[in-house]
Amino acid sequence: DAKTTQPNSMESNEEEPVHLPCNHSTISGTDYIHWYRQLPSQGPEYVIHGLTSNVNNRMASLAIAEDRKSSTLILHRATLRDAAVYYCILSPNFGNEKLTFGTGTRLTIIP
Amino acid sequence: DTAVSQTPKYLVTQMGNDKSIKCEQNLGHDTMYWYKQDSKKFLKIMFSYNNKELIINETVPNRFSPKSPDKAHLNLHINSLELGDSAVYFCASSLSRSRLSTDTQYFGPGTRLTVL
Repeated sequence: DAKTTQPNSMESNEEEPVHLPCNHSTISGTDYIHWYRQLPSQGPEYVIHGLTSNVNNRMASLAIAEDRKSSTLILHRATLRDAAVYYCILSPNFGNEKLTFGTGTRLTIIP
Repeated sequence: DTAVSQTPKYLVTQMGNDKSIKCEQNLGHDTMYWYKQDSKKFLKIMFSYNNKELIINETVPNRFSPKSPDKAHLNLHINSLELGDSAVYFCASSLSRSRLSTDTQYFGPGTRLTVL
C-alpha cells in the first residue's frame, strides 16, 4: 500500500480556516485519496475523497497537487467540533477496499 | 436510526474467556469490516465480508473468527482471550464490493474490550 505522511499535530483558532497537508509521493495513477477523521471516543467518519481534481463538499475541500504527490484538506471555518484526528489514506480502485490508516494529524481547535 | 451499531459498547473479561461482539448495519450495504484500534491508536483492518463471503483476512490469530449470518450482520468471536486483545474494535460497512475504491466506509461507535 502506498504510504502517506502527515504532521503529528496541528493547532488552529476557532472560526479560522485550517489546511491539513498530506504527502503521498509514491501514489500510483489509480490511487484515490481519502480523508477520514476520528472524533474523540468515536469511530472514524468519512470526510472527502478525490482522484485528480479538487473536490468540495459540505464538510471540507480537498486540494490535490497537479503531480498528485501531495494533497491538502481544507476546513473553511474550524469549529470546536472539528477537533479530531484526521487521516489521509490512499486506496487503489481495483479489488481492494481496505483502508490502511496511518497515524494521522491530531487537530486541536483553540477557542 | 443508527447506521452501524455494535454491542456491547464496553466488554471487560478475564483472560482465557471466549466472547463475541455483534455488529449490525441498516444501510443495505453489501460489505462489512472489522478493524482493531490498539492502545497506541493505530487502526488496522482485520476482516472484510461481502454478502456473507470473506474477502479480506489480514494476519489475525485464528482465535478471531468472524461470522456473517446475513449481509446486515458481521459478528466477531474471540476465543481464549489474551491481554494483548485489549483494544477498541470497530465495525464498518460500505455499499458494495465493486471494483471502485470510492465506496465510503461507515463506522460503528466501537467496542472497548478490556482483558484482565
